[in-house]
Amino acid sequence: GNSVTQMEGPVTLSEEAFLTINCTYTATGYPSLFWYVQYPGEGLQLLLKATKADDKGSNKGFEATYRKETTSFHLEKGSVQVSDSAVYFCALSSYGGATNKLIFGTGTLLAVQP
Amino acid sequence: ETGVTQSPTHLIKTRGQQVTLRCSSQSGHNTVSWYQQALGQGPQFIFQYYREEENGRGNFPPRFSGLQFPNYSSELNVNALELDDSALYLCAGRGSGNTIYFGEGSWLTVV
Repeated sequence: GNSVTQMEGPVTLSEEAFLTINCTYTATGYPSLFWYVQYPGEGLQLLLKATKADDKGSNKGFEATYRKETTSFHLEKGSVQVSDSAVYFCALSSYGGATNKLIFGTGTLLAVQP
Repeated sequence: ETGVTQSPTHLIKTRGQQVTLRCSSQSGHNTVSWYQQALGQGPQFIFQYYREEENGRGNFPPRFSGLQFPNYSSELNVNALELDDSALYLCAGRGSGNTIYFGEGSWLTVV
């Protein structure tokens, strides 16, 4: 079945460090890929998305490229800030009949220290 | 602003009781889905509604049920609550480009 695997956390970085959070997926067909962010005590916010191979999603300095050959969608940011501290979820959109659901990874906690 | 609003934000129930969680979605979100997020885990798909009919369900027992109304609002009902039902329940609407937007969630604690 379809699944998402992302690197375990926590990831602890100093402010202005480079961030990579790895995400790989298993899917039939051509899923859309997403990164969601969850700040403490809040719901999920869409961070970025990519809908086809070689697409690059970007938002708020974060980027991820849909790599079909490596089935990956790694999240990167060149210079993290304390305000980026949150849990990041990689997800794919899975189509089954009339159902369009998201399948999530287990999440990666990012802690940025000043 | 995602256009998805949930209530209540927090609630505590006793094992064996029933709970109803509510979701209001903006027009254009004709598909609504519900997810359960246990502490430290990623969200798990419960079910999806389209035009007031359930048209997809994840690995959840029948005591999890739902409704969708013509005004795009929705309910999640859970009967015979168990301790393991303690979680954040997220409602999501599908917007343009098939992007799924989540509400802030309802935190349910079962004691």
